[in-house]
Order: sequence, then C-alpha cells, then structure tokens
Amino acid sequence: LAKTTQPISMDSYEGQEVNITCSHNNIATNDYITWYQQFPSQGPRFIIQGYKTKVTNEVASLFIPADRKSSTLSLPRVSLSDTAVYYCLVGRLSGGYNKLIFGAGTRLAVHP
Amino acid sequence: DADVTQTPRNRITKTGKRIMLECSQTKGHDRMYWYRQDPGLGLRLIYYSFDVKDINKGEISDGYSVSRQAQAKFSLSLESAIPNQTALYFCATSDSRNTGELFFGEGSRLTVL
Repeated sequence: LAKTTQPISMDSYEGQEVNITCSHNNIATNDYITWYQQFPSQGPRFIIQGYKTKVTNEVASLFIPADRKSSTLSLPRVSLSDTAVYYCLVGRLSGGYNKLIFGAGTRLAVHP
Repeated sequence: DADVTQTPRNRITKTGKRIMLECSQTKGHDRMYWYRQDPGLGLRLIYYSFDVKDINKGEISDGYSVSRQAQAKFSLSLESAIPNQTALYFCATSDSRNTGELFFGEGSRLTVL
C-alpha cells in the first residue's frame, strides 16, 4: 500500500489560494489519488480524484506530476468555511480489495 | 434523508457491556466499511465487506465483530466494551466500480465508562 505524507497543519486567509501537497513515493501503476475533506464531527467528504496531470471540478483542482510521486490539492480563494481537515489517499479504484488508509491529514485553518 | 444512516448517533455505556452500532444505506452500493476516529487523528479501518457473504478485517479489528445482514445493512458490535474503545465511529459505502469514492454516514459517538 502506498503511504502518504502531508503537512500536519496549514494556515491561510480568506480569499487566498491554498495548495496542499501530498507525497506518495510508492504509488503503484494502478493507483489513483483521492482527496477528502472533513469537518468536525462529520464524516469525510469526497473532493476530487485523479490519476495524472490535472483534474478540476467546481470545488478544487488536483495537480499530479508525471512521476506521480506527489500530488497537490489546490483550493482557489478559500473562505472561512474551508477550515477543515484534508486527507490524501492512494489506492486502486476497482477490481479486488482497495484498503483506503486515512492518515492524520492536513488541518487547514482559514482566518478572516 | 441521508444516504448512509447510522444508529445510534450517540451512546454512553459501561465497561463490559455489549454494544451494536448499525448502518444502513440507500445508495445500492455493494461495499461497506466501518472506521474509527480518535480525537485529532485520522480514520482507521476496522472491518469492510464487499458483499453479503464477504467480511474482511481492517487495521484494528480486535475487540470488534461485524455482520452484513443484507446488502444495505452492516452492523458493528463491541462484544465487551472497554474505555479505550471510546471514539467516533463511521460507516461508509462505495461502489465496486469506484472504490476510491467513499460515502460516509454522520457518525456514531460512543463513550465507554
């Protein structure tokens, strides 16, 4: 299983762009990268998923370099409501067991 | 109504008691999971199930058991609760076509005195 490493915490201010980088040096060929967001006392919520290059949705962008050993979640123009814990997970999407491991995540605090 | 429903949402019990946490889903997903979260920490996988006849241990299965009564129902039992099982428990589901996208319930907060 590919292990992931993320910063423990980050601080930002409203209106800024936030980039959270995740390292996954042992990522396998069939692994995808998935990011989740968790608010206090709530279950994690899927944000975005990708395999390579760039993926963008209405919430965030995900940048994955060619070697796929890291990925960066980009949150444009954050607001106070983006204060949450963000998790980076690596694993296969289908076919057999996919044990998704949640690390400690990155605790993002957005300040006024 | 939530797609993944957990009951009870909060429970206080005493050491040695048997506790069952229930999870039901209306998403039609075949895969279901139980995770545990301790304060300030990430989620740890307790058990997971691919379908009704399939049960697998996760990272921390000791002291827990599960039952997949139907595709839509997955229960977690603590046979003899102990204080260090005090935690927030989450049930999740996923479709076998995209197991990277988990759908979580609202959580069940368990306190063992």
